[in-house]
Amino acid sequence: DGGITQSPKYLFRKEGQNVTLSCEQNLNHDAMYWYRQDPGQGLRLIYYSQIVNDFQKGDIAEGYSVSREKKESFPLTVTSAQKNPTAFYLCASSIGQGLAYEQYFGPGTRLTVT
Amino acid sequence: DAKTTQPTSMDCAEGRAANLPCNHSTISGNEYVYWYRQIHSQGPQYIIHGLKNNETNEMASLIITEDRKSSTLILPHATLRDTAVYYCIVVLANAGGTSYGKLTFGQGTILTVHP
Repeated sequence: DGGITQSPKYLFRKEGQNVTLSCEQNLNHDAMYWYRQDPGQGLRLIYYSQIVNDFQKGDIAEGYSVSREKKESFPLTVTSAQKNPTAFYLCASSIGQGLAYEQYFGPGTRLTVT
Repeated sequence: DAKTTQPTSMDCAEGRAANLPCNHSTISGNEYVYWYRQIHSQGPQYIIHGLKNNETNEMASLIITEDRKSSTLILPHATLRDTAVYYCIVVLANAGGTSYGKLTFGQGTILTVHP
């Protein structure tokens, strides 16, 4: 089945550690996105990538980094510079231009930093 | 992108139609209306989108008023599994640069379907 996978579902880290969240898609989509969701809030865009080897900052990129070396993969690193990293992280993909807003989301990773 | 206003919560009886309103009075001519929903602790799911005409797919119908200032998402026969937060989002068609593909999720409407 085609879809987006995120792993792990739950992740616990100590403050000061970097952590990388995985996102893989087998939909052959060009564009991929990372969003963050805090309790009771809507999603906010962290980074997005329209094609391989290219990515752009979203609204809240500070303290995060990404890479897009393969079409299928778009990992997100939450660095120690991110002041409030505890959140629900969602990865999404879309075919690309013209259908960029029809996004398919993964199940999410819930990160807790203590 | 135009701002949207949705009721905070709504209830619906199972088997009945759920009609979720969205106000987007400042929408411009080249902005689309998109609907997503998010079941608790899952990723959002795309439902439907439209520009001017009413749209229907296997999940729902979208009714857009003639002046495009508001729209209604209709789930024709709501089930318990339709309980979710429903988001109405207005986006600029073919946006490039920093707006490319960016979905701005507001608070949405919490729809509760009860037996």
